[in-house]
Amino acid sequence: SQQGEEDPQALSIQEGENATMNCSYKTSINNLQWYRQNSGRGLVHLILIRSNEREKHSGRLRVTLDTSKKSSSLLITASRAADTASYFCATDALSGNTPLVFGKGTRLSVIA
Amino acid sequence: EAGVTQSPTHLIKTRGQQATLRCSPISGHTSVYWYQQALGLGLQFLLWYDEGEERNRGNFPPRFSGRQFPNYSSELNVNALELEDSALYLCASSLVWDQPQHFGDGTRLSIL
Repeated sequence: SQQGEEDPQALSIQEGENATMNCSYKTSINNLQWYRQNSGRGLVHLILIRSNEREKHSGRLRVTLDTSKKSSSLLITASRAADTASYFCATDALSGNTPLVFGKGTRLSVIA
Repeated sequence: EAGVTQSPTHLIKTRGQQATLRCSPISGHTSVYWYQQALGLGLQFLLWYDEGEERNRGNFPPRFSGRQFPNYSSELNVNALELEDSALYLCASSLVWDQPQHFGDGTRLSIL
C-alpha cells in the first residue's frame, strides 16, 4: 500500500502567498524526500530529510519531519507562478534496501 | 553532467503488442528504477536494478520485465500490452539506494 499520502490533493494560492503541503506515512522510515513534477515531465528532487532531523531549509523551501506523528510538511514561501506543479513526498523504509514509495501528490496552482 | 535520458519520448502500440523502453542513467549511477504513472495518479514502483541485478520488483504482472546492461543503461519490456498499460513510464537513477533519485522525462506509452 502507499506509504506516503499528501494533503491536500490540490491547493490554489495567489502569487506571493505561502503554500503548505503535508505528508503522512505509516511505517518507520530512513529518509523522507520531496519531489516536484511539472506537467508531463520527470520528477525533480527538492530536499531530503533524514529520520534524525527535524527541520531542513533550501532557499524558499522549508521541510519539517515529526517521526512521532509520522508526518512531514513542505512550506514554500513567497510563491511564484513557476512553482505551479505537483509535489510528492517519498519515503524509504527503515529496514533499508527498499525502493522509494511515493504518495499521490499535491497539485499546487499559483495564480499570478 | 548529462541527466537521465529516456527513449522514445512517445510510443503508440496496439493491444497485444510488445513495447521496449530505454533509459540511460547519469554517469556513475549504478541504480536504475522504473515507475509507472497513470494519468492523474502517483508513481507506482515497477523495477529496481543495481549492478546488473534486479534488486526489487513492484506489484506488477510478469509481462513487465527488464534488464540492466554492463554500462548501467536499462530497458523495460512490456509484453501483451493492455489498454490499462497506457501511462507515463519514468526512469530514475541514483548513486546508492538511499540517495536522491534523478528522473528522466519519461516515455508516454499509449495503447490503442
